[in-house]
Amino acid sequence: AQTVTQSQPEMSVQEAETVTLSCTYDTSESNYYLFWYKQPPSRQMILVIRQEAYKQQNATENRFSVNFQKAAKSFSLKISDSQLGDTAMYFCAFMKHDSGGGADGLTFGKGTHLIIQP
Amino acid sequence: DVKVTQSSRYLVKRTGEKVFLECVQDMDHENMFWYRQDPGLGLRLIYFSYDVKMKEKGDIPEGYSVSREKKERFSLILESASTNQTSMYLCASKELGVRGVYEQYFGPGTRLTVT
Repeated sequence: AQTVTQSQPEMSVQEAETVTLSCTYDTSESNYYLFWYKQPPSRQMILVIRQEAYKQQNATENRFSVNFQKAAKSFSLKISDSQLGDTAMYFCAFMKHDSGGGADGLTFGKGTHLIIQP
Repeated sequence: DVKVTQSSRYLVKRTGEKVFLECVQDMDHENMFWYRQDPGLGLRLIYFSYDVKMKEKGDIPEGYSVSREKKERFSLILESASTNQTSMYLCASKELGVRGVYEQYFGPGTRLTVT
């Protein structure tokens, strides 16, 4: 079984600052995927960014980027030029690769509540 | 756009009632999931389904069952609701992928209160 740990229950930064959310995971799988999801007050879960474990290059999506350290089993999310709309719960999630393409659920961390102050 | 809908945003039920939470997706996805979300615990997988009439237990299936009679619909059933099942329930769907990864699309959630 895999576990995902987010050690920061809550973070608060000023608008326009850069913030990094931490995530570590534990697994015996060699092929897997990692995700960051955002859940604003509306409760709708939104995919922010994904990373395939076999890719060495860190994923980026506009202001969002990850620092993926496979050996250390670390997957942090960096948000640059933070905006008020970034205020939300952020969840780190793990999914193992199923070569048969079958269903496999996500294993989530407990979440980090990020507050962007004006 | 993928759309995953859940039958209710808020639901209040009494202890011992049988409760049905419905989820419908419009993208012909093979895989569907039910999670519950509790403060400080994140999301935990209850059940998932990879095809019509097929289901698999997730991490916390006790007290729940599921039904998938049609591809687009995945129901979560609380046979006899208890107060410890008060929670937020999220449904998700995913395309079957043999190459690469396909993201899970989530519904808006149902906040269930059992009194």
